[in-house]
Amino acid sequence: DTAVSQTPKYLVTQMGNDKSIKCEQNLGHDTMYWYKQDSKKFLKIMFSYNNKELIINETVPNRFSPKSPDKAHLNLHINSLELGDSAVYFCASSQCPGPGVVCEQYFGPGTRLTVT
Amino acid sequence: AQTVTQSQPEMSVQEAETVTLSCTYDTSESNYYLFWYKQPPSRQMILVIRQEAYKQQNATENRFSVNFQKAAKSFSLKISDSQLGDTAMYFCAFMNLQTGANNLFFGTGTRLTVIP
Repeated sequence: DTAVSQTPKYLVTQMGNDKSIKCEQNLGHDTMYWYKQDSKKFLKIMFSYNNKELIINETVPNRFSPKSPDKAHLNLHINSLELGDSAVYFCASSQCPGPGVVCEQYFGPGTRLTVT
Repeated sequence: AQTVTQSQPEMSVQEAETVTLSCTYDTSESNYYLFWYKQPPSRQMILVIRQEAYKQQNATENRFSVNFQKAAKSFSLKISDSQLGDTAMYFCAFMNLQTGANNLFFGTGTRLTVIP
């Protein structure tokens, strides 16, 4: 069984559209993340959710909004898509006991978003 | 702020030989973890090895080992007996345990090619 899954794996859309990427984890983890990997392969944290609370929100445009219907899901909604949003988006999850204790992150397979 | 630097954009190694990938980082924190992730052409992010900052002993996982030099803030990955399946992008990553977010900060990656 896939631990962290994302749908769709590929998404091609036009500028100005609104789209969503879904993420689900079956590991029982309490923290989920979204990362963006740009065309140069650089990976950067976008935000993370812990027990349905946003705990980190890096300087991403407010066109991006994470939505967590329950602990196992963290979906990424993107409004008014722009060319620069083209990238691979990775979802990840972890079980973090608290500050000072490592929590290993498990990544989904990624979603390649292409904005034309 | 944490920064992670990988100074080798690309490397190649003959099958069965040994290769070392470099990584340096900059942080003022004392409690952190370091990771190496592998990203093959399938795009999946795979954890290769991790190192706790408070441990002096270098981590090893089968053919993979690290050389962790805390004072120099260096964290290199050695791959022994390289195999064709090791061909991938390799990312060094830093996790600060002082905060509750436990986000990963990645380097820019090294593309490794194993030559038959």
